[in-house]
Amino acid sequence: TQLLEQSPQFLSIQEGENLTVYCNSSSVFSSLQWYRQEPGEGPVLLVTVVTGGEVKKLKRLTFQFGDARKDSSLHITAAQPGDTGLYLCAGARRGGSYIPTFGRGTSLIVHP
Amino acid sequence: EPEVTQTPSHQVTQMGQEVILRCVPISNHLYFYWYRQILGQKVEFLVSFYNNEISEKSEIFDDQFSVERPDGSNFTLKIRSTKLEDSAMYFCASSWGDWGYGYTFGSGTRLTVV
Repeated sequence: TQLLEQSPQFLSIQEGENLTVYCNSSSVFSSLQWYRQEPGEGPVLLVTVVTGGEVKKLKRLTFQFGDARKDSSLHITAAQPGDTGLYLCAGARRGGSYIPTFGRGTSLIVHP
Repeated sequence: EPEVTQTPSHQVTQMGQEVILRCVPISNHLYFYWYRQILGQKVEFLVSFYNNEISEKSEIFDDQFSVERPDGSNFTLKIRSTKLEDSAMYFCASSWGDWGYGYTFGSGTRLTVV
């Protein structure tokens, strides 16, 4: 089972600040997805990245897939209280089961 | 926007009892999944279901667990004899295609075994 390490585990920032969270593994992934989960709710898909080096933008969120397809980052510009939540990455290993493994997540709190 | 619906939202059961968790996936989706999340821990894969049969299952999905799609709309997870360690949030998810298409998750059922 591939391990997905997410960092930092917790992040508490003020509204307006920028932040980056990371998702790293020693395995190569065929694709990787980012989800956001709020307390008591299921994860909600934000983006899927497939190509090494790919960059995708979703409003103030920028997602990047590493060139070697082993890591990914999520950058949030000018964070808002509505961005508060648990950010999860999940990846399916190339050549293995297509069932993805989830990381433990980064818990983000944005204070007004 | 289409949703995955799960019922009940919260179930309390005594150890050793059988529970059935219900899910209505998005109607045109073809792949169905159950995941669980123990409090404070990561989301863990249980089982995937495609073309009316289990396509993959994890080590967690032992003989105490079973899944069914009885009527073409509902997708159920049955735990035959619950244990304390089965207490968790159980999420159903569905997707149109395989992993690359992304999953739509339901809001979950919080199962508490006492």
